[in-house]
Amino acid sequence: TQLLEQSPQFLSIQEGENLTVYCNSSSVFSSLQWYRQEPGEGPVLLVTVVTGGEVKKLKRLTFQFGDARKDSSLHITAAQPGDTGLYLCAVHSGNTGKLIFGQGTTLQVKP
Amino acid sequence: EAGVAQSPRYKIIEKRQSVAFWCNPISGHATLYWYQQILGQGPKLLIQFQNNGVVDDSQLPKDRFSAERLKGVDSTLKIQPAKLEDSAVYLCASGTGSQSPLHFGNGTRLTVT
Repeated sequence: TQLLEQSPQFLSIQEGENLTVYCNSSSVFSSLQWYRQEPGEGPVLLVTVVTGGEVKKLKRLTFQFGDARKDSSLHITAAQPGDTGLYLCAVHSGNTGKLIFGQGTTLQVKP
Repeated sequence: EAGVAQSPRYKIIEKRQSVAFWCNPISGHATLYWYQQILGQGPKLLIQFQNNGVVDDSQLPKDRFSAERLKGVDSTLKIQPAKLEDSAVYLCASGTGSQSPLHFGNGTRLTVT
């Protein structure tokens, strides 16, 4: 079983539309990270959320950490082709603090 | 600052052959990770180092995969012998501590035929 469940797995939308992707777990985390990965490159950190209920904004991207710190969402307003990529949520887990990723959401924004 | 460097960028080998990947992390980063990523999926952790010691290798298929981080800087990941299902991108990442965000290299794309 996956520690982090992301949905949807794939999303194809037109430029200008809004979208939300989700990252869910039955475990509680002290923090959660979101990364974006473009083809041929490694994942790049977008944001870290730490406090239950926290909302962080990065231009047209809005990240929210659930009140119980078990889930998170990423909302993109007026998506653009440059937002195309694989969106990954990740948490540090266990005594070693190893970083574990969800399966990812592949987003395609068509012009 | 210079990013995480990985080489080679691409590698094609036949099954049962051996292959090695190299990673040079960001200077001063104590933690180093190797991940395996199948196309369109999230990275799967293979091994985690803290300086030159292994912290977690519970997901490493130790019958064929090995990794080392000599002197706590560069690291190599080896597969011997390779199987078809090892075809994937192998990502190296480094961080300042056990709870820090990671900086990734661009990966090595391995194709096993």
